[in-house]
Amino acid sequence: GQSLEQPSEVTAVEGAIVQINCTYQTSGFYGLSWYQQHDGGAPTFLSYNALDGLEETGRFSSFLSRSDSYGYLLLQELQMKDSASYFCAVTRNTGGFKTIFGAGTRLFVKA
Amino acid sequence: GAVVSQHPSWVICKSGTSVKIECRSLDFQATTMFWYRQFPKQSLMLMATSNEGSKATYEQGVEKDKFLINHASLTLSTLTVTSAHPEDSSFYICSSSGAGEEQYFGPGTRLTVT
Repeated sequence: GQSLEQPSEVTAVEGAIVQINCTYQTSGFYGLSWYQQHDGGAPTFLSYNALDGLEETGRFSSFLSRSDSYGYLLLQELQMKDSASYFCAVTRNTGGFKTIFGAGTRLFVKA
Repeated sequence: GAVVSQHPSWVICKSGTSVKIECRSLDFQATTMFWYRQFPKQSLMLMATSNEGSKATYEQGVEKDKFLINHASLTLSTLTVTSAHPEDSSFYICSSSGAGEEQYFGPGTRLTVT
């Protein structure tokens, strides 16, 4: 089977930096991605890592260590609009691509 | 990124009736689409992989006879919830994918069964 673990909730203040960790166990690992979801909305893609290292996209960065089965999402210069749920998701390739989502981390950004 | 639409965006139906949800890939041909369901404040649970021109692949625990999936063209996949019951009330979201990287999600369909 497969499993993903991420913190259920994180609180931070505007302007701060926050890191959301994700550990996973799966066969056929292909890549790790991150999605943001606001209440009532659909998930939106943030980043994707297939290889070890850091990927930076504006205020958001994502890191992957395949040997440690670990990744994180880093959000910098937090804004109130960043309050949302963040999901790490593992894409597996076991005779076809499939993406499985973690339980999600609810981020609260305070003024 | 690619655009995926879903219709309807919300639906209320009576227990025992069937509901069809459409998922369209508007600007690229999707040989594979995915159906997820999400209960309030929970994660997205993969229900099935919809393959164009062939049978869908269902995840363990998902009843294929209850959740009928048809992917008759490269731009349209449909999910039919048959004989819906209140416990089927959920947010149903489809997505399409390229080479296993970014997934493009539809806006979701909120189903309420009374």
